Amino acid sequence: AQSVTQLDSQVPVFEEAPVELRCNYSSSVSVYLFWYVQYPNQGLQLLLKYLSGSTLVKGINGFEAEFNKSQTSFHLRKPSVHISDTAEYFCAVSAGGTSYGKLTFGQGTILTVHP
Amino acid sequence: EAEVAQSPRYKITEKSQAVAFWCDPISGHATLYWYRQILGQGPELLVQFQDESVVDDSQLPKDRFSAERLKGVDSTLKIQPAELGDSAMYLCASRSPGTGKAYEQYFGPGTRLTVT
Repeated sequence: AQSVTQLDSQVPVFEEAPVELRCNYSSSVSVYLFWYVQYPNQGLQLLLKYLSGSTLVKGINGFEAEFNKSQTSFHLRKPSVHISDTAEYFCAVSAGGTSYGKLTFGQGTILTVHP
Repeated sequence: EAEVAQSPRYKITEKSQAVAFWCDPISGHATLYWYRQILGQGPELLVQFQDESVVDDSQLPKDRFSAERLKGVDSTLKIQPAELGDSAMYLCASRSPGTGKAYEQYFGPGTRLTVT
């Protein structure tokens, strides 16, 4: 079984500052890792994913994440945030094989960007 | 751009009543998921379909919840009777086939259920 821990429940930051949202996972098998964003009363939108290959992955809206196998982490970063980045962010893990891509989510991190 | 459709978007129901949610996945997506998201938490999988077959319903409270995908396309999730603790967002997602995007799930806008 796999699990995901998002280390910060809330992250306040000023506009144009850099931000890092932290995510650690545990799994007994190889995993695929994802970050999703959720705006109020909406579904989840995929920001980026790591399946294999380069450990630094780039996504939409200027976000990127780095997969660190030894530290079992997949932290999300953005060098300069905008007011419109205010939302809740979810890290998720999926194991391969017959799980048919089942996602296990973390508890979420609320990012609030202040002017 | 194709999207996952869900209806209704909002539903208020009284305790002990029956309620149903509908999901239409992206065309061609064989795998369909229903998640429940309690306020302040991440989504949790309730049931997973591959075509019309259930492949994982281990977290579905089967005494009151049921799900079907009769023709392997759209799906319905039902709760009967609803309880106060069922108040949550119910999200439907579908997954694209093939490599590369094989593990990318697309989510609908969700149904916000309030049980009074």
